[in-house]
Amino acid sequence: AQSVTQLDSQVPVFEEAPVELRCNYSSSVSVYLFWYVQYPNQGLQLLLKYLSGSTLVKGINGFEAEFNKSQTSFHLRKPSVHISDTAEYFCAVIRMDSSYKLIFGSGTRLLVRP
Amino acid sequence: DAGVIQSPRHEVTEMGQEVTLRCKPISGHNSLFWYRQTMMRGLELLIYFNNNVPIDDSGMPEDRFSAKMPNASFSTLKIQPSEPRDSAVYFCATGRREGQFPLNEQFFGPGTRLTVL
Repeated sequence: AQSVTQLDSQVPVFEEAPVELRCNYSSSVSVYLFWYVQYPNQGLQLLLKYLSGSTLVKGINGFEAEFNKSQTSFHLRKPSVHISDTAEYFCAVIRMDSSYKLIFGSGTRLLVRP
Repeated sequence: DAGVIQSPRHEVTEMGQEVTLRCKPISGHNSLFWYRQTMMRGLELLIYFNNNVPIDDSGMPEDRFSAKMPNASFSTLKIQPSEPRDSAVYFCATGRREGQFPLNEQFFGPGTRLTVL
């Protein structure tokens, strides 16, 4: 079975501070990896994705993530957060043998304080 | 492009009533998904269509739920009869799958917030 674990349900941080949102996955086959952001009362928006190639992936809004195969992790980072980054962040994977099924983590609420 | 369009954005109904949620995918996308989001269960995949054909409906909770995709530009999710436990946000997402390669991105609509009293 495959799963996606987001260890932190909520991460409070002050504005302009760095942040890391953790994501670990388990899968017996290779995966594609994604981070989505959900702002209040909106749908999910893709922040970034890892399909292949360089393990450091840059996304929108200054976010980046690094794929670590040995640790089966895909942590999301931003060097300096803004109030507007307050949202729910979801890590997700697609198994290469599944072709379509996104497996989501439970989400991490990022709360940026002034 | 207008993105994935869902209607209505909010729906309040009484238990036992029929509810129909609608989705217009992004033009050219051949994969369509219906998800349900609740606090307790998070995001759940209900059904997946590829080229208008239902491929995986294993997530549909029970016979009260049905989904159709009569053409490439329209899909519905129907609940009949509705129950209070169906209250959730329902998302439609679409993507473009090429050949046998895994789908590498899904675009989500704004969702329909359903409240069943």
